Amino acid sequence: QVQLRESGPGLVKPSQTLSLTCTVSGDSISRVSTYWNWIRQPAGKGLEWVGRVFSNGITNYSPSLKSRLSISLDTSNNQFSLRLNSVTAADTAVYFCARDLGVTETLSWFDTWGQGILVTVSS
Amino acid sequence: DIVMTQSPDSLAVSLGGRATINCKSSQNIFYRSNSKNYLAWYQQKPGQPPQLLIYWASTRESGVPDRYSGSGSGTDFTLTISSLQAEDVAVYYCQQYYTSPITFGQGTRLEIK
Repeated sequence: QVQLRESGPGLVKPSQTLSLTCTVSGDSISRVSTYWNWIRQPAGKGLEWVGRVFSNGITNYSPSLKSRLSISLDTSNNQFSLRLNSVTAADTAVYFCARDLGVTETLSWFDTWGQGILVTVSS
Repeated sequence: DIVMTQSPDSLAVSLGGRATINCKSSQNIFYRSNSKNYLAWYQQKPGQPPQLLIYWASTRESGVPDRYSGSGSGTDFTLTISSLQAEDVAVYYCQQYYTSPITFGQGTRLEIK
């Protein structure tokens, strides 16, 4: 059974860097054609796709976050990570990691999600 | 970006009744080369992550009860829950994966009347 688990600080100061890790069990992040995604959800609001990393390390980012965002793989620990620079209160949200099995050649749906981690940006 | 608009924002349906949730995309998400609509539906219960219900607009994910069905094509899509059960209370989201960035609808809250 595939499981994803987010970890990282729950509180980040404005202008600093938000760093989260998603640990994958039951699957390999190096599996061909699989995409590993970050999605966020402000409290009481809808879902926003943040970005993703392919099993070979290639990334795609939301244009609205691209200038501040980095997503990477750590194959030795079967993890992938998110770094978001220069955060503001608008970045406060529950951050989910999720798997996309790459059924299409471009984008597809998310079949497995982590439980999510609340990150608050506040001084 | 493709804008996904759901309607209604919330609805209340009696137990055993039928719930219908609509999702409209700001541009066509039907890909002619494979005749598929690039749309998924999710269910999110309080304090939980979203759970995949349907992809390709009408294909149920494994393990999803057959009272859930998806329909539509092009820009207009529907999620139907027949014979509503208490455990169906949740927020439902549509998602397009036709083009980047992936976008979601704003969500529809389903309650029991």
